[in-house]
Amino acid sequence: EAQVTQNPRYLITVTGKKLTVTCSQNMNHEYMSWYRQDPGLGLRQIYYSMNVEVTDKGDVPEGYKVSRKEKRNFPLILESPSPNQTSLYFCASSPAGGAYEQYFGPGTRLTVT
Amino acid sequence: QKEVEQDPGPLSVPEGAIVSLNCTYSNSAFQYFMWYRQYSRKGPELLMYTYSSGNKEDGRFTAQVDKSSKYISLFIRDSQPSDSATYLCAMTYTGKLIFGQGTTLQVKP
Repeated sequence: EAQVTQNPRYLITVTGKKLTVTCSQNMNHEYMSWYRQDPGLGLRQIYYSMNVEVTDKGDVPEGYKVSRKEKRNFPLILESPSPNQTSLYFCASSPAGGAYEQYFGPGTRLTVT
Repeated sequence: QKEVEQDPGPLSVPEGAIVSLNCTYSNSAFQYFMWYRQYSRKGPELLMYTYSSGNKEDGRFTAQVDKSSKYISLFIRDSQPSDSATYLCAMTYTGKLIFGQGTTLQVKP
């Protein structure tokens, strides 16, 4: 089944403890991206990767890192999580050269205490 | 001013009604325009995307883009209770994707 998978789906952690949320797609897509969704603020792009050689910042990259070492994986790294990073996170991928046909993963709900 | 504006609603309609959802935008660089549907606790699901001004139809859904007015619409004909969800418009240029806030739609039987 063609899909975007994220792990973990739920995570509760403490301030300052490094964590990684994994994202993997099995559709051979070039483009991958991360978003966070917050009440009243909607979905906002954190980072995106046009292909394995190109990664760029979205609208809210502060406090996040990403890594695109291979086409199928695009992990999101929080080096020192803070409570304001408590959110619902989505990974997405697109077969096209841009962002216009994105397929989203199921989401990761992160709580930082 | 936000780059993409969307009325969050909520919007409540009776089953069978025609639903009109709208977004306005300010950035002329946007090239593609998309509509996503999101059910509670799920990831957004792509409904349609368009590139140029004009209409695009897919079943009960019609997307409309007016670049001169910086205005996009999604029409849902013969709305069903299963259409109850949040509808998000989104726009992209290069690799960036900007979402509207989403409109919550409820279709009552």
